[in-house]
Amino acid sequence: NAGVTQTPKFQVLKTGQSMTLQCAQDMNHEYMSWYRQDPGMGLRLIHYSVGAGITDQGEVPNGYNVSRSTTEDFPLRLLSAAPSQTSVYFCASSYSGEGAYEQYFGPGTRLTVT
Amino acid sequence: KQEVTQIPAALSVPEGENLVLNCSFTDSAIYNLQWFRQDPGKGLTSLLLIQSSQREQTSGRLNASLDKSSGRSTLYIAASQPGDSATYLCAVRTDSWGKLQFGAGTQVVVTP
Repeated sequence: NAGVTQTPKFQVLKTGQSMTLQCAQDMNHEYMSWYRQDPGMGLRLIHYSVGAGITDQGEVPNGYNVSRSTTEDFPLRLLSAAPSQTSVYFCASSYSGEGAYEQYFGPGTRLTVT
Repeated sequence: KQEVTQIPAALSVPEGENLVLNCSFTDSAIYNLQWFRQDPGKGLTSLLLIQSSQREQTSGRLNASLDKSSGRSTLYIAASQPGDSATYLCAVRTDSWGKLQFGAGTQVVVTP
């Protein structure tokens, strides 16, 4: 049981380049989400998905795109990287509903945009 | 909009002292509250989850309380050790799907 996996662990991009951060989970969770973590600001929600084919914007969605074609995968696309997108990105997943459902987090991707 | 605050932002204690970490939230309509630990350069490790109907949850040296009406949760770590040095984050689940709103964290240093 791998939990939530993310690739790559580290990435350096030049301004204007595009890339995709990969996220996968093997727990059959309906809910998946992407956060970014910046110093002193906690984690902020970028995009989330409540099932295959269903995505929505979080608090800071500009400059990012997502899709969810399967339950397991939820990639995050940076369309045209900017230095303001330098951050650590975390993917998370959980069951939905009103039960005692924990969120599980991946190990993160540290992105630097120069 | 739900806002989550953690005070203090940083805390230093000598080994053996009990740690008390605070988390407050502005909207009491939450599904649950989760405490996480984050080591430098690492991901988030879940410590405790408290359902909205619960008052407290315990795991080993860790005890978390929840007072929904006053919008507060407290994480107690008994007999702190240098290995407890980390940043502790609290997050409230704001809808049935799974959305979390995080606090900025409390950075803890336990000195030998």
